[in-house]
Amino acid sequence: EVQLVESGGGLVQPGGSLRLSCAASGFSFSNYWMHWVRQAPGKGLVWVSRINSDGSNAIYADFVKGRFTISRDNAKNTLYLQLNSLRAEDTAVYYCANTLSYYFDYWGQGALVTVSS
Amino acid sequence: QSALTQPASVSGSPGQSITMSCTGTNSDVGSYNLVSWYQQHPGKAPKVMIYEGTKRPSGVSNRFSGSKSGNTASLTISGLQAEDEADYYCCSYATSGTWVFGGGTKLTVL
Repeated sequence: EVQLVESGGGLVQPGGSLRLSCAASGFSFSNYWMHWVRQAPGKGLVWVSRINSDGSNAIYADFVKGRFTISRDNAKNTLYLQLNSLRAEDTAVYYCANTLSYYFDYWGQGALVTVSS
Repeated sequence: QSALTQPASVSGSPGQSITMSCTGTNSDVGSYNLVSWYQQHPGKAPKVMIYEGTKRPSGVSNRFSGSKSGNTASLTISGLQAEDEADYYCCSYATSGTWVFGGGTKLTVL
């Protein structure tokens, strides 16, 4: 059974940092591209970032503007998202998702990040 | 990258068919056959219902179907059931190498 479990969310002050993790199991993690997608409270889904299977290439949504970094450790079957210079508008549930193609196959349950003073 | 355009809401009675649209541009929906659709129930993670425009993942009911014409993709749900009531999001791969979602459509089963 495919499982994606996010962790690391919480309350952080504006300008602060947080690292999200996504532990994967039940599939060959090192063969899959991985994504982060976020959803602000009561709002729609927004794509954040994608990393390729060996971690050598990453791409980000324009609004990230160098503040977020996606990475992965295939030996640990874990995906990461480093969030820096956080703003109130970054408050959202952050989902990780896997894919072998151009869509999001399995999703985690999400990690809530709240940016507030 | 601007969000794809979806109607805010659609509704239908049990047993009926409904179609919801997803309009993009020549830089996303119109460039590839890579539109996917996601169903999200309140408090739950999204679930893929259609990928690559028309394909259904294993386990998804054949009541769900997808199509595309030009810059507009559509999701049709036939034989509407109470459990279909949810938010639906379209998503497309774009020429920029990124992905873009629609704003979502709330489906109400009357």
